[in-house]
Amino acid sequence: DIQMTQSPSSLSASIGDRVTITCRASQGINTYLAWYQQRPGKAPKSLIYAASNLQGWVPSRFSASGSGTDFTLTITSLQPEDFATYYCQQYNSYPLTFGGGTKVEIK
Amino acid sequence: EVQLLESGGGRVQPGGSLRLSCAASGFTFSAYALTWVRQTPGKGLEWVSGITGVGDKTYYADSVKGRFTISRDNSRNTLYLQMNSLRAEDTALYYCVKFYGTSGYYTNFDFWGQGTLVIVSS
Repeated sequence: DIQMTQSPSSLSASIGDRVTITCRASQGINTYLAWYQQRPGKAPKSLIYAASNLQGWVPSRFSASGSGTDFTLTITSLQPEDFATYYCQQYNSYPLTFGGGTKVEIK
Repeated sequence: EVQLLESGGGRVQPGGSLRLSCAASGFTFSAYALTWVRQTPGKGLEWVSGITGVGDKTYYADSVKGRFTISRDNSRNTLYLQMNSLRAEDTALYYCVKFYGTSGYYTNFDFWGQGTLVIVSS
């Protein structure tokens, strides 16, 4: 199974800050990586697919990059609605696996 | 608008069974693979099972293989998860999730339902 490791597990940031979350796969997954956002009490929502492609409903302050084993999600100018937990997920092979999540909290 | 509406969750004793359903709308149901993902309260996400658009292939996590069965009725736009021999560790919120593609291979999730809660407890 491919293990997905996210860091940090949590972070505190202020409105307007730039935030970067990393995700590392235990083996190469090409660009078969997605990012999801989960606000408290809500279902996850798709943000990024194929490592760097934004879903149509995602604001441009979100960006992502990476391939192989190392990936990043960046939020420039953090907004109140961005405080949530973010998960990466690989879909290179079964079983599909998720990272442990990164909780972005208000400083 | 894509909608995925799960039902069938509840409280069941260890060793018992439940069948989850997911009623879908807003897209051509048979054209897309679907999957179940669960989330333990306060913890992360775990992929459970998936099925191709036409229902000819299914996939399972080792933790549920042999106990859970995924199926779909493309005439009713409904996805199912039959859960047997339930264990305490199956307690979770179960999400119905749509794949972007048909096969479930090399394709991301794009839409999630709101989930149905399963509690396995005596």
